[in-house]
Amino acid sequence: EAQVTQNPRYLITVTGKKLTVTCSQNMNHEYMSWYRQDPGLGLRQIYYSMNVEVTDKGDVPEGYKVSRKEKRNFPLILESPSPNQTSLYFCASSLSQPGGRNTEAFFGQGTRLTVV
Amino acid sequence: AQTVTQSQPEMSVQEAETVTLSCTYDTSESNYYLFWYKQPPSRQMILVIRQEAYKQQNATENRFSVNFQKAAKSFSLKISDSQLGDTAMYFCAFMNHRMTGANNLFFGTGTRLTVIP
Repeated sequence: EAQVTQNPRYLITVTGKKLTVTCSQNMNHEYMSWYRQDPGLGLRQIYYSMNVEVTDKGDVPEGYKVSRKEKRNFPLILESPSPNQTSLYFCASSLSQPGGRNTEAFFGQGTRLTVV
Repeated sequence: AQTVTQSQPEMSVQEAETVTLSCTYDTSESNYYLFWYKQPPSRQMILVIRQEAYKQQNATENRFSVNFQKAAKSFSLKISDSQLGDTAMYFCAFMNHRMTGANNLFFGTGTRLTVIP
């Protein structure tokens, strides 16, 4: 089954304690991205990756890091989480290649992160 | 950057009735895609319908259809014969269709739709 898998689904942590949210897709997609969803703000892109070892900032990258060492995995790293990073996080992947036609984004099930 | 505006934070509709959700966008691009995503209480993001900007014909998927007005930069979603399972947050989204560089997805702030029995 084609899917994007995020872990964990729920996470409560304390300020400053490094954490990683994993994301894996089994569709051989080149493009992957991370979003955060906050009430009244919709989904905002944190980082994206067009292929292995190619990553770039989205609209709200501060306080986050990513890596793309393998095509299927795109972890989101919070080196020193703060309460303003409490949010719902989504990973997504797609065949969104420049000029390509297959543009549907597949989303993970979300990670609810609370930083206290 | 592109902007996507959903001016209706919340809407409600009686079961079996029709409802229209509004979306406008701002872009200087000529080629792009527009989407409506549904997010039920399970939080899953589900693609409802997709429109390619170069196609004049409005997209339709069963009870869901769009009214795409390219000149007005408007992309509304019409849900016919509303069902209780349509209760969800609906997001309008925009994606560039460039030949080089990244084609990122930009979202509106969402419309929470409640279908009333």
